[in-house]
Amino acid sequence: KNQVEQSPQSLIILEGKNCTLQCNYTVSPFSNLRWYKQDTGRGPVSLTIMTFSENTKSNGRYTATLDADTKQSSLHITASQLSDSASYICVVSDRGSTLGRLYFGRGTQLTVWP
Amino acid sequence: EADIYQTPRYLVIGTGKKITLECSQTMGHDKMYWYQQDPGMELHLIHYSYGVNSTEKGDLSSESTVSRIRTEHFPLTLESARPSHTSQYLCASSMDRDWGLHNEQFFGPGTRLTVL
Repeated sequence: KNQVEQSPQSLIILEGKNCTLQCNYTVSPFSNLRWYKQDTGRGPVSLTIMTFSENTKSNGRYTATLDADTKQSSLHITASQLSDSASYICVVSDRGSTLGRLYFGRGTQLTVWP
Repeated sequence: EADIYQTPRYLVIGTGKKITLECSQTMGHDKMYWYQQDPGMELHLIHYSYGVNSTEKGDLSSESTVSRIRTEHFPLTLESARPSHTSQYLCASSMDRDWGLHNEQFFGPGTRLTVL
Protein backbone atom coordinates (compact mmCIF):
# COMPACT_ATOMS: atom_id res chain seq x y z
CA LYS A 1 0.00 0.00 0.00
CA ASN A 2 1.38 3.39 -0.99
CA GLN A 3 1.80 5.53 2.11
CA VAL A 4 3.59 8.61 3.35
CA GLU A 5 4.43 8.90 7.04
CA GLN A 6 5.73 12.06 8.68
CA SER A 7 7.33 12.70 12.04
CA PRO A 8 7.06 14.34 14.40
CA GLN A 9 3.38 15.12 14.29
CA SER A 10 4.05 18.47 15.94
CA LEU A 11 7.13 20.43 16.98
CA ILE A 12 7.75 23.60 18.99
CA ILE A 13 11.04 25.44 18.70
CA LEU A 14 12.41 28.83 19.66
CA GLU A 15 13.03 31.49 17.09
CA GLY A 16 16.51 31.23 15.60
CA LYS A 17 16.86 27.50 16.23
CA ASN A 18 17.17 24.81 13.57
CA CYS A 19 14.92 21.81 13.13
CA THR A 20 14.54 18.72 10.95
CA LEU A 21 11.31 17.11 9.82
CA GLN A 22 11.15 13.52 8.62
CA CYS A 23 9.22 11.75 5.89
CA ASN A 24 9.14 8.01 5.13
CA TYR A 25 7.30 6.68 2.13
CA THR A 26 6.40 3.39 0.50
CA VAL A 27 5.18 4.81 -2.82
CA SER A 28 6.36 2.80 -5.79
CA PRO A 29 7.35 3.31 -8.51
CA PHE A 30 8.69 6.62 -7.29
CA SER A 31 8.56 9.75 -9.45
CA ASN A 32 9.28 12.73 -7.24
CA LEU A 33 8.94 14.07 -3.73
CA ARG A 34 7.82 17.54 -2.75
CA TRP A 35 7.71 19.41 0.52
CA TYR A 36 4.82 21.84 0.86
CA LYS A 37 4.27 24.54 3.46
CA GLN A 38 0.69 25.15 4.51
CA ASP A 39 -0.11 28.19 6.61
CA THR A 40 -3.22 28.01 8.77
CA GLY A 41 -6.32 28.59 6.67
CA ARG A 42 -4.37 28.62 3.41
CA GLY A 43 -3.57 26.20 0.63
CA PRO A 44 -0.20 24.38 0.50
CA VAL A 45 2.71 26.05 -1.31
CA SER A 46 5.56 24.01 -2.80
CA LEU A 47 8.99 24.49 -1.20
CA THR A 48 11.16 21.90 -2.96
CA ILE A 49 10.91 19.03 -5.42
CA MET A 50 13.35 16.14 -5.78
CA THR A 51 13.50 13.34 -8.29
CA PHE A 52 15.08 9.92 -7.91
CA SER A 53 18.55 11.12 -8.88
CA GLU A 54 18.65 14.11 -6.52
CA ASN A 55 19.62 13.76 -2.89
CA THR A 56 19.56 17.36 -1.73
CA LYS A 57 17.76 20.55 -2.71
CA SER A 58 17.82 23.96 -1.05
CA ASN A 59 15.40 26.86 -1.09
CA GLY A 60 16.70 29.64 1.10
CA ARG A 61 16.67 28.45 4.71
CA TYR A 62 14.96 25.20 3.68
CA THR A 63 17.07 22.19 2.70
CA ALA A 64 15.47 18.91 1.69
CA THR A 65 17.28 15.59 1.42
CA LEU A 66 16.21 12.37 -0.25
CA ASP A 67 17.49 8.82 0.19
CA ALA A 68 15.69 6.85 -2.50
CA ASP A 69 17.21 3.58 -1.31
CA THR A 70 15.73 3.81 2.18
CA LYS A 71 12.73 5.84 0.94
CA GLN A 72 13.32 8.63 3.42
CA SER A 73 13.35 12.38 3.11
CA SER A 74 14.01 15.19 5.54
CA LEU A 75 13.37 18.92 5.55
CA HIS A 76 15.87 21.00 7.52
CA ILE A 77 14.95 24.53 8.49
CA THR A 78 17.80 26.81 9.48
CA ALA A 79 17.57 29.87 11.75
CA SER A 80 13.82 29.56 12.19
CA GLN A 81 11.57 32.59 12.05
CA LEU A 82 8.10 33.20 13.46
CA SER A 83 6.74 33.05 9.91
CA ASP A 84 7.94 29.44 9.64
CA SER A 85 5.05 28.43 11.90
CA ALA A 86 2.95 26.24 9.62
CA SER A 87 2.21 22.66 8.64
CA TYR A 88 4.88 21.03 6.45
CA ILE A 89 3.54 18.33 4.17
CA CYS A 90 5.53 15.65 2.38
CA VAL A 91 3.98 14.66 -0.97
CA VAL A 92 5.17 11.76 -3.10
CA SER A 93 4.21 11.22 -6.71
CA ASP A 94 4.23 7.87 -8.49
CA ARG A 95 4.78 7.22 -12.17
CA GLY A 96 3.38 3.76 -12.48
CA SER A 97 -0.26 4.20 -13.30
CA THR A 98 -1.93 6.24 -16.01
CA LEU A 99 -3.14 8.41 -13.18
CA GLY A 100 0.26 9.10 -11.56
CA ARG A 101 -1.36 10.30 -8.40
CA LEU A 102 0.00 12.20 -5.40
CA TYR A 103 0.28 10.71 -1.93
CA PHE A 104 0.13 13.15 0.96
CA GLY A 105 1.50 12.85 4.47
CA ARG A 106 -0.46 14.27 7.39
CA GLY A 107 2.07 16.99 7.92
CA THR A 108 4.23 18.19 10.78
CA GLN A 109 2.79 21.17 12.61
CA LEU A 110 5.70 23.48 13.42
CA THR A 111 5.32 26.29 15.93
CA VAL A 112 8.10 28.84 16.34
CA TRP A 113 8.05 30.80 19.60
CA PRO A 114 9.75 34.15 20.11
CA GLU B 1 1.68 33.50 -5.45
CA ALA B 2 -0.43 31.21 -7.65
CA ASP B 3 -3.42 32.64 -9.50
CA ILE B 4 -6.05 30.27 -8.23
CA TYR B 5 -9.04 31.52 -6.32
CA GLN B 6 -11.73 29.98 -4.20
CA THR B 7 -14.95 31.47 -2.93
CA PRO B 8 -16.34 31.62 -0.40
CA ARG B 9 -13.45 31.30 2.04
CA TYR B 10 -15.79 30.39 4.88
CA LEU B 11 -19.34 29.04 4.71
CA VAL B 12 -21.71 28.09 7.52
CA ILE B 13 -25.02 26.60 6.39
CA GLY B 14 -27.85 24.45 7.63
CA THR B 15 -28.48 20.82 6.81
CA GLY B 16 -30.23 20.14 3.51
CA LYS B 17 -29.04 23.27 1.71
CA LYS B 18 -27.57 23.14 -1.76
CA ILE B 19 -24.16 24.75 -2.02
CA THR B 20 -21.61 25.44 -4.73
CA LEU B 21 -17.95 26.05 -3.97
CA GLU B 22 -16.26 28.11 -6.65
CA CYS B 23 -12.73 27.58 -7.98
CA SER B 24 -11.11 29.60 -10.74
CA GLN B 25 -7.57 29.74 -12.10
CA THR B 26 -6.05 32.19 -14.56
CA MET B 27 -2.97 30.14 -15.47
CA GLY B 28 -4.56 28.23 -18.35
CA HIS B 29 -3.92 24.92 -16.61
CA ASP B 30 -5.65 21.88 -18.08
CA LYS B 31 -5.74 19.80 -14.92
CA MET B 32 -7.77 20.76 -11.89
CA TYR B 33 -8.45 18.97 -8.62
CA TRP B 34 -10.60 19.09 -5.53
CA TYR B 35 -9.25 17.85 -2.21
CA GLN B 36 -10.88 17.43 1.17
CA GLN B 37 -8.80 18.01 4.29
CA ASP B 38 -9.77 17.54 7.92
CA PRO B 39 -7.67 19.05 10.74
CA GLY B 40 -4.41 17.18 11.25
CA MET B 41 -5.17 14.81 8.43
CA GLU B 42 -3.81 14.36 4.92
CA LEU B 43 -5.41 15.77 1.80
CA HIS B 44 -7.78 13.38 0.04
CA LEU B 45 -8.51 13.69 -3.66
CA ILE B 46 -12.27 13.75 -4.28
CA HIS B 47 -12.51 14.97 -7.90
CA TYR B 48 -10.22 15.81 -10.80
CA SER B 49 -10.42 16.96 -14.37
CA TYR B 50 -8.05 16.57 -17.32
CA GLY B 51 -9.70 19.46 -19.15
CA VAL B 52 -12.99 20.84 -20.44
CA ASN B 53 -15.85 18.32 -20.24
CA SER B 54 -13.65 15.88 -18.31
CA THR B 55 -14.47 14.99 -14.70
CA GLU B 56 -13.42 11.96 -12.67
CA LYS B 57 -13.93 10.79 -9.11
CA GLY B 58 -10.90 10.66 -6.86
CA ASP B 59 -9.77 8.29 -4.15
CA LEU B 60 -12.18 9.43 -1.47
CA SER B 61 -15.84 8.83 -2.10
CA SER B 62 -17.77 12.07 -2.03
CA GLU B 63 -21.42 12.98 -2.46
CA SER B 64 -20.37 16.16 -4.20
CA THR B 65 -20.35 16.67 -7.96
CA VAL B 66 -18.19 18.82 -10.20
CA SER B 67 -18.36 20.29 -13.67
CA ARG B 68 -15.76 21.65 -16.11
CA ILE B 69 -17.44 23.72 -18.79
CA ARG B 70 -14.59 26.24 -19.04
CA THR B 71 -10.87 25.66 -18.62
CA GLU B 72 -10.56 28.21 -15.85
CA HIS B 73 -13.57 27.18 -13.78
CA PHE B 74 -14.12 24.00 -11.72
CA PRO B 75 -17.04 24.37 -9.31
CA LEU B 76 -18.01 21.76 -6.72
CA THR B 77 -21.66 21.26 -5.76
CA LEU B 78 -23.34 19.58 -2.82
CA GLU B 79 -27.06 19.06 -3.52
CA SER B 80 -27.99 18.52 0.13
CA ALA B 81 -25.37 19.40 2.71
CA ARG B 82 -25.02 17.35 5.89
CA PRO B 83 -22.90 17.79 9.02
CA SER B 84 -20.61 15.00 7.76
CA HIS B 85 -19.64 17.33 4.89
CA THR B 86 -18.02 19.75 7.34
CA SER B 87 -14.41 20.04 6.23
CA GLN B 88 -11.87 22.16 4.37
CA TYR B 89 -12.09 21.93 0.58
CA LEU B 90 -8.98 22.78 -1.43
CA CYS B 91 -8.90 23.34 -5.16
CA ALA B 92 -5.69 22.94 -7.18
CA SER B 93 -4.50 23.07 -10.76
CA SER B 94 -1.47 21.89 -12.70
CA MET B 95 -0.09 22.28 -16.18
CA ASP B 96 2.00 19.27 -17.12
CA ARG B 97 0.78 16.71 -19.59
CA ASP B 98 2.14 13.85 -17.49
CA TRP B 99 0.22 13.57 -14.28
CA GLY B 100 3.09 12.37 -12.18
CA LEU B 101 6.25 13.93 -13.55
CA HIS B 102 7.22 17.29 -12.08
CA ASN B 103 3.57 18.19 -11.85
CA GLU B 104 3.48 21.02 -9.38
CA GLN B 105 -0.04 21.56 -8.19
CA PHE B 106 -0.93 25.11 -7.28
CA PHE B 107 -3.47 25.32 -4.50
CA GLY B 108 -6.17 27.83 -3.78
CA PRO B 109 -6.69 29.21 -0.25
CA GLY B 110 -9.47 26.72 0.49
CA THR B 111 -13.09 26.92 1.61
CA ARG B 112 -13.85 26.06 5.22
CA LEU B 113 -17.36 24.54 5.17
CA THR B 114 -19.41 24.04 8.33
CA VAL B 115 -22.79 22.34 8.09
CA LEU B 116 -24.97 22.70 11.16
